[in-house]
Amino acid sequence: QSALTQPPSASGSPGQSVTISCTGTSSDVGTYNFVSWYQQHPGKAPKLIIYEVDKRPSGVPDRFSGSKSGNTASLTVSGLQADDETDYYCSSYAGSNTVVFGGGTKLTVL
Amino acid sequence: QVQLVESGGGLVKPGGSLRLSCAASGFTFNDYYMSWIRQTPGKGLEWISYISTGGGVTYYADSVKGRFTISRAKDSLYLQMNSLRVEDTAVYYCARVSSSWSCRWGQGTLVTVSS
Repeated sequence: QSALTQPPSASGSPGQSVTISCTGTSSDVGTYNFVSWYQQHPGKAPKLIIYEVDKRPSGVPDRFSGSKSGNTASLTVSGLQADDETDYYCSSYAGSNTVVFGGGTKLTVL
Repeated sequence: QVQLVESGGGLVKPGGSLRLSCAASGFTFNDYYMSWIRQTPGKGLEWISYISTGGGVTYYADSVKGRFTISRAKDSLYLQMNSLRVEDTAVYYCARVSSSWSCRWGQGTLVTVSS
């Protein structure tokens, strides 16, 4: 049972936008603006695509965007491409030097 | 560029021990907190241990407390794993932790605990 709740799956057609939610509590997502999102292709390490709720590391396309409202953070992938089809995980700082993760969402590009 | 390379994983019997290593390069190692994170198909991603820049502050998840020990030395991170259990079977990632608690990950090393 993961601390943050993500939908197991999401899908969209090429060129469309899809949003993945990540629901925590007032002890993590709701209190800290330290929400990150990771993209993980099969057999590979997770890659950071969003940090501090809505910031993108250098090299990450602006098709990826993040937001937060209350205890729920969201990742939006715009202009879906075939290579976006993979797993996405959210995380949040939860105080006391701990980070909690979501269970992951498998994004399918139809 | 940031590189984190884990090693030391493998097959071990329940009750056995393993020591994981992580070689860091491409950044000033002493400037960053470091962490071990593991991933299993069943439980997903789990933040299991963390160490501060100077090594004076550490954190362990309840699932590994008293059995695992994190440490760091020049450009390297370690995880000593004792009294291993079947449920410790996972891919173990070394991660550089930023001030925003986001992570840059190594490629992972597989630990299998089985008789």
